Amino acid sequence: GAGVSQSPRYKVAKRGQDVALRCDPISGHVSLFWYQQALGQGPEFLTYFQNEAQLDKSGLPSDRFFAERPEGSVSTLKIQRTQQEDSAVYLCASSLSGSGNTIYFGEGSWLTVV
Amino acid sequence: EDQVTQSPEALRLQEGESSSLNCSYTVSGLRGLFWYRQDPGKGPEFLFTLYSAGEEKEKERLKATLTKKESFLHITAPKPEDSATYLCAVQGDNYGQNFVFGPGTRLSVLP
Repeated sequence: GAGVSQSPRYKVAKRGQDVALRCDPISGHVSLFWYQQALGQGPEFLTYFQNEAQLDKSGLPSDRFFAERPEGSVSTLKIQRTQQEDSAVYLCASSLSGSGNTIYFGEGSWLTVV
Repeated sequence: EDQVTQSPEALRLQEGESSSLNCSYTVSGLRGLFWYRQDPGKGPEFLFTLYSAGEEKEKERLKATLTKKESFLHITAPKPEDSATYLCAVQGDNYGQNFVFGPGTRLSVLP
């Protein structure tokens, strides 16, 4: 596609509910990133995929967070048993590959846990 | 540990009043420094990539420069539509493909 596509754009979840956020990267982009952005802050790294391999998940805040990219294209970020502190914008980005390559972001998925 | 700070936190300019935003970084082995613009409710939009000290890039009213410790985003004769949050990020050797972002500078340009 022309850009990184994320869905849903907005999600309200009740505390304890599981949520799944989807990312469709730019066609041909090998690398895919998930970031979390709190209000008024810069994005914070969650996890990174190269093709279907999850090479870095050091930023995932707890074992309630899980990401996958089974066929090396679309990725899903899953949050189990959501808590209020999970409320944030979840940004997906993709890049061609390799170090120093620019990453391009989607519009984000706004999660509010009530 | 790679770190990025940005100053000022917020900046208000009159239309046509030029200024600069600062991004200071600490990184082991800089692979790239990136500037993004973010409008409210939107994802970050790519502006520039700089790779080595002394490098400069320009786009319309924006010019980005890079030294070994900091980068500047110069805004010449800004317009109200330049109002946004400007984010700086670095990618270094220590953290694989991870980009480390600063907190951003919120720019408001008044007509």
